[in-house]
Amino acid sequence: KNEVEQSPQNLTAQEGEFITINCSYSVGISALHWLQQHPGGGIVSLFMLSSGKKKHGRLIATINIQEKHSSLHITASHPRDSAVYICAVRVTGNQFYFGTGTSLTVIP
Amino acid sequence: GAVVSQHPSWVICKSGTSVKIECRSLDFQATTMFWYRQFPKQSLMLMATSNEGSKATYEQGVEKDKFLINHASLTLSTLTVTSAHPEDSSFYICSLIAGYNEQFFGPGTRLTVL
Repeated sequence: KNEVEQSPQNLTAQEGEFITINCSYSVGISALHWLQQHPGGGIVSLFMLSSGKKKHGRLIATINIQEKHSSLHITASHPRDSAVYICAVRVTGNQFYFGTGTSLTVIP
Repeated sequence: GAVVSQHPSWVICKSGTSVKIECRSLDFQATTMFWYRQFPKQSLMLMATSNEGSKATYEQGVEKDKFLINHASLTLSTLTVTSAHPEDSSFYICSLIAGYNEQFFGPGTRLTVL
């Protein structure tokens, strides 16, 4: 069983829809990261969370430490949001566990 | 945030040859860098932790004699895939941690071994 599970694996949405990607983890963490990987492969860090909620533009990330669960929300989705979204948790030191990613396609 | 570059971004080589991939931190002195490998449709897998001025720490199952890591300066780490084989074809990504424990990734290097 993976330490980090994401759902859904694949997601197709119409432009403008509200999108939610979920991440559950089974280990104690010091922080949780949401990453965005575009088709070319480059990875960008969207959020780093250790509690509560963060918002950046149309993106919102929440984490519930007690339930070991995090969600990434995208409001008013746009085709340029199409990418793979990866949840990663940091355990001790520099050790990270990565989810397998959620592939998002936003259709115009 | 830190800016991380990788070179080359894409390389094709013949089986049996060696390929060197560079990871540079452009605006941050990194004592530690990380090398990941990502196969199609799979998540990132940590291969090794590169430590400036000392030996790299390899993850279980990663052959240190095949994947040579050199971290000679605070801004450069290199990964050399020796005697590459088609099964080494993958996407190799480096990263470093800067700021408030935030991870910054390089753009990746796509290796194809024929």
